[in-house]
Amino acid sequence: GESVGLHLPTLSVQEGDNSIINCAYSNSASDYFIWYKQESGKGPQFIIDIRSNMDKRQGQRVTVLLNKTVKHLSLQIAATQPGDSAVYFCAEKRAGNMLTFGGGTRLMVKP
Amino acid sequence: DSGVTQTPKHLITATGQRVTLRCSPRSGDLSVYWYQQSLDQGLQFLIQYYNGEERAKGNILERFSAQQFPDLHSELNLSSLELGDSALYFCASSPRGSGTNEKLFFGSGTQLSVL
Repeated sequence: GESVGLHLPTLSVQEGDNSIINCAYSNSASDYFIWYKQESGKGPQFIIDIRSNMDKRQGQRVTVLLNKTVKHLSLQIAATQPGDSAVYFCAEKRAGNMLTFGGGTRLMVKP
Repeated sequence: DSGVTQTPKHLITATGQRVTLRCSPRSGDLSVYWYQQSLDQGLQFLIQYYNGEERAKGNILERFSAQQFPDLHSELNLSSLELGDSALYFCASSPRGSGTNEKLFFGSGTQLSVL
């Protein structure tokens, strides 16, 4: 199964460049946010998370930025590689542990 | 591999039929979630179970039902199927299902095609 049929915004980057994927979330009461990566034929895979009491968190080659004032989340991928090509979803957690997903962005990496 | 197992991977059926999707959570996880991913609506939360009990309900149709068994595996039952039910159905699991920072781990999904 794959999400390639979704009419998603697409970000196309050159291999080696940095990628920035943006997400606007809807609920100011959300206190936990996750970025997931979905490759063709696979389920969403956890990349990085951030709590609402933080504004930045770094992982391996990835950084998540949270701006609560404008309810905006971004995922930065350093030195983007062909294996980073996938659909990226942001998700916010509201009361009752219901994880709500954004619409997704397709990242295409050109060799 | 997330540790969450879903079967079958693909399911083709006709309108009006009933199907059952199965999910085995990661070892040790007590909570199971079902999501639907369709072309026009992205990932939609359907329902959550924790240790056999329903904990949260999302946009799940009355024609759909789920349960979690004592061994913690879960089944999603879809009945009176319509063309619009064609979608990818994902199961996810988490350790407790109530923690603020709990990550969900997803299976590879079941692709349902209703013809």
